[in-house]
Amino acid sequence: AQSVTQLDSQVPVFEEAPVELRCNYSSSVSVYLFWYVQYPNQGLQLLLKYLSGSTLVKGINGFEAEFNKSQTSFHLRKPSVHISDTAEYFCAVSLKAAGNKLTFGGGTRVLVKP
Amino acid sequence: DTGVSQDPRHKITKRGQNVTFRCDPISEHNRLYWYRQTLGQGPEFLTYFQNEAQLEKSRLLSDRFSAERPKGSFSTLEIQRTEQGDSAMYLCASSLVATGDGYTFGSGTRLTVV
Repeated sequence: AQSVTQLDSQVPVFEEAPVELRCNYSSSVSVYLFWYVQYPNQGLQLLLKYLSGSTLVKGINGFEAEFNKSQTSFHLRKPSVHISDTAEYFCAVSLKAAGNKLTFGGGTRVLVKP
Repeated sequence: DTGVSQDPRHKITKRGQNVTFRCDPISEHNRLYWYRQTLGQGPEFLTYFQNEAQLEKSRLLSDRFSAERPKGSFSTLEIQRTEQGDSAMYLCASSLVATGDGYTFGSGTRLTVV
């Protein structure tokens, strides 16, 4: 079975500073990789996804992530954060042949300080 | 298209009562998923449908839980004899085809069992 580990439960960061959220996964087969953002009392919004091809993936709101197969990682980055980026971020994987069922990490709460 | 709609947004119920939640997916989407998210955790898969067929159920879905998707359109999730441990956010999502693509989540139904 696959699993996802988000190494940081909370990341405080100052406005306009860069941020990196770490995600590692384990799976014996090929996976698809996703990052979602969740604002308070809301559902999840897709930030970006890796299905195949280029390992550097660009998403919405200036976020990007890099797939590293050898390190089984999919870290999320943003070069300059805004107050509005304060939210919870979830990394998720799905197996390429398993009904697209997502397995999520525990989440990283990003708090952007002025 | 208004996205994935969930009703109600909030539900407070007494322990032992039955509750039912509704999800209306994006109209052309043939796959519909239910997830449960407890406070401070990532969402956990419960079940999914392709059209009206329920194709997989998680071990998390005890006998007290039942989900339906009549006619392959909206879906309902019923919890019988609610317990305090059922308190969570119940998220619905839908997708068009089984390509591994990230799907669209609703805003969720927050259940509080008192």
